[in-house]
Parts: sequence; structure tokens; C-alpha cells
Amino acid sequence: DTGVSQDPRHKITKRGQNVTFRCDPISEHNRLYWYRQTLGQGPEFLTYFQNEAQLEKSRLLSDRFSAERPKGSFSTLEIQRTEQGDSAMYLCASSLAGDRGLYGYTFGSGTRLTVV
Amino acid sequence: RKEVEQDPGPFNVPEGATVAFNCTYSNSASQSFFWYRQDCRKEPKLLMSVYSSGNEDGRFTAQLNRASQYISLLIRDSKLSDSATYLCVVNMGTGGFKTIFGAGTRLFVKA
Repeated sequence: DTGVSQDPRHKITKRGQNVTFRCDPISEHNRLYWYRQTLGQGPEFLTYFQNEAQLEKSRLLSDRFSAERPKGSFSTLEIQRTEQGDSAMYLCASSLAGDRGLYGYTFGSGTRLTVV
Repeated sequence: RKEVEQDPGPFNVPEGATVAFNCTYSNSASQSFFWYRQDCRKEPKLLMSVYSSGNEDGRFTAQLNRASQYISLLIRDSKLSDSATYLCVVNMGTGGFKTIFGAGTRLFVKA
């Protein structure tokens, strides 16, 4: 296991199109997070899974955004009807359960989305 | 007021210099604290946790002041490879809403 994997690394799409990103967390981590990061800002929380259950969603995650983690392993983030404001780096992270947030996250390399 | 605030910098320092970053947080219930390093167009990577007693990892020293609600990162003998953005992270418990990232402080180390 080489860490958190994200695919694709880059995505350029036309406004109005749908896009889907995939995240494969570290296998022994059952917590998975999606963040969005724009230039000059820190990562902003989007959503969080523990196993297959989506426990939290940010208000940043409008109804055009949906995330799934069907078997508690990999996760997908879909954006429907993309807008230019969706252009950002989408980061996936995973962490150990039961650590009470003490050990930090491991991030994937991110998917850089550009909406033209 | 932002929940986690950092001076965006940039800090421009010569090689060998000592540089310090501060980060303030607003929620006194915060439980754990971290510094992450982020290189340009790369993902954040955990640099070190910050413990109440302070902790050191080589050239890096992190300190926590709960009374004043700030954490600090000190880098001694700066290297060119230390050039990056340093993100302060404050965690108030389990879950995404409770983990807040600062906007980061940019550091440039020059020869």
C-alpha cells in the first residue's frame, strides 16, 4: 500500500459537464475525507466518511456535488453541471479510526479540476 | 474572526536563518494541533504534531500556548528545501468539521 491514491490527477472539462473523481485511501484507514483547495487558501472540508457511512457534509457541498463510498473502501466525488467556480484542487485524505484526531491525515496527490 | 489564522507571508530568509511562524485559533476546546507542509501544486504532508509540552524534530520545534490560543513553528538553520507553505491545523475532535486548516504561511529560503 503506497498511500492515498487519487484519479485523475488533472481534469479539464467544459462548463455544464459532469465529472467524477476517485480516491483509494490507505487500506487500514476507515475514515475518508474530501477537501477542496483554491489558490492561496487552506483545504476546505467537503465531506467525511467512516466506513461506508457519510457522516458529515459541508454546506460547500451543494446539491450538484455527491460523494459515495459504497463498500467502505474507495470513494467517488461527482460534480454535476460544473461551473467555473468549481475549478480547484480536490483532495482526498484518510486517517485511522479511534485516534480522536490525534494522528493527522494522509492526503492523496489531489485532482486538479479546471472548468472552461 | 477566522477559526485558524496565520500570517500569509511570504517570509523571505537566507539559508541558515532561523524563522518562526505563529498561528492563532479561536476555539478553546481545540484538542490537537498540527503543522503540515505543502509544496507548490502538491498535497499537504504532515510535518509534525504539536504537543502541550512542546516538541522538536531535528531543526523543527513546535510549541503550543493554550492560554493564549496559539501555536508556533520554529525552523532553525533554514535550507533551500524548506521553501514551502506551512499550514497550521487545529482539531476539535473527530470528523471533518472539527479539523480546521489555516490558509498557510509561505516561506522562501534563498541562497
